Amino acid sequence: EDKVVQSPLSLVVHEGDTVTLNCSYEVTNFRSLLWYKQEKKAPTFLFMLTSSGIEKKSGRLSSILDKKELFSILNITATQTGDSAVYLCAVAPGNYGGSQGNLIFGKGTKLSVKP
Amino acid sequence: DVKVTQSSRYLVKRTGEKVFLECVQDMDHENMFWYRQDPGLGLRLIYFSYDVKMKEKGDIPEGYSVSREKKERFSLILESASTNQTSMYLCATGELAGRKQYFGPGTRLTVT
Repeated sequence: EDKVVQSPLSLVVHEGDTVTLNCSYEVTNFRSLLWYKQEKKAPTFLFMLTSSGIEKKSGRLSSILDKKELFSILNITATQTGDSAVYLCAVAPGNYGGSQGNLIFGKGTKLSVKP
Repeated sequence: DVKVTQSSRYLVKRTGEKVFLECVQDMDHENMFWYRQDPGLGLRLIYFSYDVKMKEKGDIPEGYSVSREKKERFSLILESASTNQTSMYLCATGELAGRKQYFGPGTRLTVT
């Protein structure tokens, strides 16, 4: 069965800390891995990763994928209170049957950044 | 920018009522999805559609149905609402290549 596991489930840090969020997966015919940030409303897209070892970066956030070990990490440096959110990891399996376009989501990591 | 809208942000319904949740997208995407999100359970796929008049069951379709009469519109129907359907409902539209999905603002449904 395809699955995505995120760890930790929750995390409390102080402003300025660096955090690493983990996502491991087991999926048939991997296509891509995506990270989303969800504050009090809809998830917003952060990164999509398809190749191992290539870091994606946006400001203080970065992410990398290891397709051999089947995991990804999301790093946030110099955290701010505005980074407080649930971070979702999702994996897109390759095309098969009628499941085109589906994503398999992890349960998320809830990050709280204290001032 | 992709825009995905949902008909209501907050909704309160009584047990047994028929409930319609509507989702509209403006990006001409074939794929559309309905999820529900509950604390500790994450996002769970209810139904999805990859073409007009096509629908596929997701992981938790029981108690729900869907309608896709036009490409831009995907409706979720609760035939007879029950209290265990109290949840946040999220609609998404998706690209096929890479599978990036874009989410609507969500509808928080309370069934009393």
